[in-house]
Amino acid sequence: IAGITQAPTSQILAAGRRMTLRCTQDMRHNAMYWYRQDLGLGLRLIHYSNTAGTTGKGEVPDGYSVSRANTDDFPLTLASAVPSQTSVYFCASSVGTGGYEQYFGPGTRLTVT
Amino acid sequence: GDSVTQMEGPVTLSEEAFLTINCTYTATGYPSLFWYVQYPGEGLQLLLKATKADDKGSNKGFEATYRKETTSFHLEKGSVQVSDSAVYFCALSDSQAGTALIFGKGTTLSVSS
Repeated sequence: IAGITQAPTSQILAAGRRMTLRCTQDMRHNAMYWYRQDLGLGLRLIHYSNTAGTTGKGEVPDGYSVSRANTDDFPLTLASAVPSQTSVYFCASSVGTGGYEQYFGPGTRLTVT
Repeated sequence: GDSVTQMEGPVTLSEEAFLTINCTYTATGYPSLFWYVQYPGEGLQLLLKATKADDKGSNKGFEATYRKETTSFHLEKGSVQVSDSAVYFCALSDSQAGTALIFGKGTTLSVSS
């Protein structure tokens, strides 16, 4: 069982380019999340999805979009990357919302130049 | 809104020393509380959790007790090892607020032999 996989592992991206970070889980979890991790700021929620077909905005959604066409996949898209989006991005999933532990992927390290 | 405050690091200890990492929270509802650990270059892993007041979570020699009266969930370990060197995150999930985890900013632990 792989759990949560993310791709790519790392990426250097020119400012203004479009980029999609991929996330797939094989645990049939209903809820999925995208966080960014920045030094001194901990993890901040970008977007979430409580169940397939629904999405919501987190603490720092600007410049990012998500979709949840099925249970397993939750891609994160940067429409036009900016240097402030340089970060480590983590995808996570949980059985449901509220009170459940989350399981994290290995992360994608993104550098926007 | 809900929040988590944990002690700033880095925390530097010698092997076999006693560890305490403080964590306090603010929540409007009745949160579940978690400690996650992040080893270098990896994603977050659930270390332990507690879902109601006076619960004690424990794993790998670490433990934390959910103290509603002091709104705290301090992480402790009696004898740390070099392999415990990592970043530790306290987090809460409020069933009334739904959706995602709210994380503290993380505490870096460095253990030397």
